[in-house]
Formats: sequence, C-alpha cells, structure tokens
Amino acid sequence: LAKTTQPISMDSYEGQEVNITCSHNNIATNDYITWYQQFPSQGPRFIIQGYKTKVTNEVASLFIPADRKSSTLSLPRVSLSDTAVYYCLPLTGTGANNLFFGTGTRLTVIP
Amino acid sequence: EAQVTQNPRYLITVTGKKLTVTCSQNMNHEYMSWYRQDPGLGLRQIYYSMNVEVTDKGDVPEGYKVSRKEKRNFPLILESPSPNQTSLYFCASSPLDRANTGELFFGEGSRLTVL
Repeated sequence: LAKTTQPISMDSYEGQEVNITCSHNNIATNDYITWYQQFPSQGPRFIIQGYKTKVTNEVASLFIPADRKSSTLSLPRVSLSDTAVYYCLPLTGTGANNLFFGTGTRLTVIP
Repeated sequence: EAQVTQNPRYLITVTGKKLTVTCSQNMNHEYMSWYRQDPGLGLRQIYYSMNVEVTDKGDVPEGYKVSRKEKRNFPLILESPSPNQTSLYFCASSPLDRANTGELFFGEGSRLTVL
C-alpha cells in the first residue's frame, strides 16, 4: 500500500512556476502516477500522468525521480485560474483495484 | 456530450432513511467507481466495478452498497444513513485500460447531509 503525502497548501504569485511534490512509498516499476485538478463545486479533472522520468503536456510537467518515492507536478507561469486543489494518485500494483488518492494540495495564486 | 451524471447534486436527509445516489455515464466505460471527499482526508474510494455484475469494496465501503446491472449505471445505496456519512460524493468512470493507469472521468459531485 502506497502511503501518499502532499503539502496541505501552497501560495504563489501569478507568473511564477509552481512545483507540488507528492511523496509515496516505493511503487512498482511500471506503476503510473496521475495528477488531478479540482475547482470548487466540480469533480477532479485529469491533468497528467507518467511512470518514469519526465512527462510534459500543454498544461503541466511531471517529474518522477529514479527511486520513484515521489513525484513533482510542475505548473509553469501560473495564473489566477490555476487556483485549485491538486491530487496525486500513485497506483499500487493492482491497477484500478483500490485507488488511493493523496490528501490534496490547495494552491492559491495571488495577483 | 460525454459525461458522468450524478443525481441528486444536493440532498439533506435524516438518519435511517434509505437513499440512493445515481450515477450514469454515456461513454460505454467498463470501469465505474464511487468516492467520498472529506476535509483533510481527500478522496477515498468506496466501491468500484470493473464491468457489469462485477463490483468490489474500496477503502471505505462500510455503510454503503452498490449494484452494476447495466454498463452505464452505478448507483450508490445508503440503506440506513448516519451523520458520519455526511460528505461530498463523486462517481467516476473510465475505459478499463485507462482506469488501470489511474485515468478517471469524474462527475460533478453529490453533497449529502445526514441529520
């Protein structure tokens, strides 16, 4: 079972790069780590996923070190609309059986 | 429009009065699951289903039941609700291969208050 921890909250100014790190026990080599974004009164929304090194899409980058004990979601040049709660979801070797989300990080972007 | 639809979105009820929260998806997804979200605890999985007639317990199944008689629907049943089931509930679905990587499509949530 991957015990998952994230910072409870973070503040950032507009235009800055934000890095949110999720710590988890060793997970299997090919297990995916997925990140979600959640706005108030909405369901979580998939942002990015990967299982090794670095993945980048139009929204974010995901860095996974070789030891896989953590992953870091990187949001480049945040804007006010990036204010949300961010959850990581490391898989635990059993696929979609028993999904354990992190407790979430509330990001507040300040003008 | 592809979506996961939950009903009701808001409900206030009393202890012991059976209720059902419905979840329906129009994307022909095999995998469906339910979560509750509580302050400081994040999202915790209640039940999940890999396909029709296949359901299994998640992390916090006590006090809940589910059924999967049709592919598109996955209702969450509270036979005898108690105040500790006051929470925000989310349904999610996904094609099975994407669910196995952790990629899910969530509904908008159902806020339940049990008095």
